[in-house]
Amino acid sequence: QKEVEQDPGPLSVPEGAIVSLNCTYSNSAFQYFMWYRQYSRKGPELLMYTYSSGNKEDGRFTAQVDKSSKYISLFIRDSQPSDSATYLCAMIPNTGFQKLVFGTGTRLLVSP
Amino acid sequence: GAGVSQSPSNKVTEKGKDVELRCDPISGHTALYWYRQRLGQGLEFLIYFQGNSAPDKSGLPSDRFSAERTGESVSTLTIQRTQQEDSAVYLCASSPGTFYNEQFFGPGTRLTVL
Repeated sequence: QKEVEQDPGPLSVPEGAIVSLNCTYSNSAFQYFMWYRQYSRKGPELLMYTYSSGNKEDGRFTAQVDKSSKYISLFIRDSQPSDSATYLCAMIPNTGFQKLVFGTGTRLLVSP
Repeated sequence: GAGVSQSPSNKVTEKGKDVELRCDPISGHTALYWYRQRLGQGLEFLIYFQGNSAPDKSGLPSDRFSAERTGESVSTLTIQRTQQEDSAVYLCASSPGTFYNEQFFGPGTRLTVL
């Protein structure tokens, strides 16, 4: 069983829809949670990061962490075609802060 | 300023050959990481350099993989006697410090082993 599970998609939505992307994890030691966006043929770029449980909002993006359920989410409001990309969740355990553990990524397609 | 750069962007090689992949981190970033991204899979941690400390090699999949870094600058990832299962995108990232900081990724090197 992988430490981090993420549905690979693709997830297809119309422009303006609310998108929900999710990851589950098995290691209760994870403390820092991140969402990266990766466009085709590019490296990942950090979108959001949160520490421990709770919500964090940045513009159209909201990240949620529920440590009791070992479940994290990224919500995108008013989705745009430019949001079409692969979204990767990543986590850091409490030892080895630099070893990001990634999900497989969910491919999102937003149609005009 | 310039971001993380990697070269070559694409590399096609024959099984059994050695390859070298290069990463130029952002100037001033003391930490440098290598990851591997296989098709349809997430990024796998390979190796981590922090300043002059001994690198964390715990993610290297076999002794055919090695990496070096010159001070706080360029790094090379070497794969000896390449195998078809080594085909992947190899990503390099750098960050400013030792504690968690955002990791800035390069565009990657797409390696194809025939």
